[in-house]
Amino acid sequence: NAGVTQTPKFRVLKTGQSMTLLCAQDMNHEYMYWYRQDPGMGLRLIHYSVGEGTTAKGEVPDGYNVSRLKKQNFLLGLESAAPSQTSVYFCASRTPFPTGARETQYFGPGTRLLVL
Amino acid sequence: GNSVTQMEGPVTLSEEAFLTINCTYTATGYPSLFWYVQYPGEGLQLLLKATKADDKGSNKGFEATYRKETTSFHLEKGSVQVSDSAVYFCALRVENNAGNMLTFGGGTRLMVKP
Repeated sequence: NAGVTQTPKFRVLKTGQSMTLLCAQDMNHEYMYWYRQDPGMGLRLIHYSVGEGTTAKGEVPDGYNVSRLKKQNFLLGLESAAPSQTSVYFCASRTPFPTGARETQYFGPGTRLLVL
Repeated sequence: GNSVTQMEGPVTLSEEAFLTINCTYTATGYPSLFWYVQYPGEGLQLLLKATKADDKGSNKGFEATYRKETTSFHLEKGSVQVSDSAVYFCALRVENNAGNMLTFGGGTRLMVKP
């Protein structure tokens, strides 16, 4: 199992450009999440999904859109990038009923985004 | 609302020193508490957890006790190693929240010198 993978690993954008970050998981997890990580602020939830075809807003959703067309993939889109979106983006997935060894979100390695 | 507060880092220790990283929380309901660790260049990994008051989570020599009376979940290790250098995140999850969402603290960077 590859676990949770993210592409790309690093990207530089100019203000106003658009891009899509891809998250893929091969663990058949129902729930998937997108976070951003900024210095001193921990991880903040952008959007999440509780199943194929569903999405919901997290703590900081403005400026981002998401789609979950397939269970294994969760896409994060920036329609018009801004310097404030410079961050490290993490995707995570989990089962819906966390008990015992499944009591965890599995994180991808992250995507570093720089918006100039 | 829910929030997690951690001591600011970086915390710099010599090998074999005692480690404490403070974590306090506010939550609606009865949260489960977690410590995640992020090694350089990697995503977060679950280190330990506790799901009710007075539970002690432990893993890899790290321990944390769920203290409801002080709303705390401090991380401790008796003798740190260079390989423990990482960023540590305290987190909580309130039961029955949509999406099983976690609320994270700001993270504490630990640097262990040989």
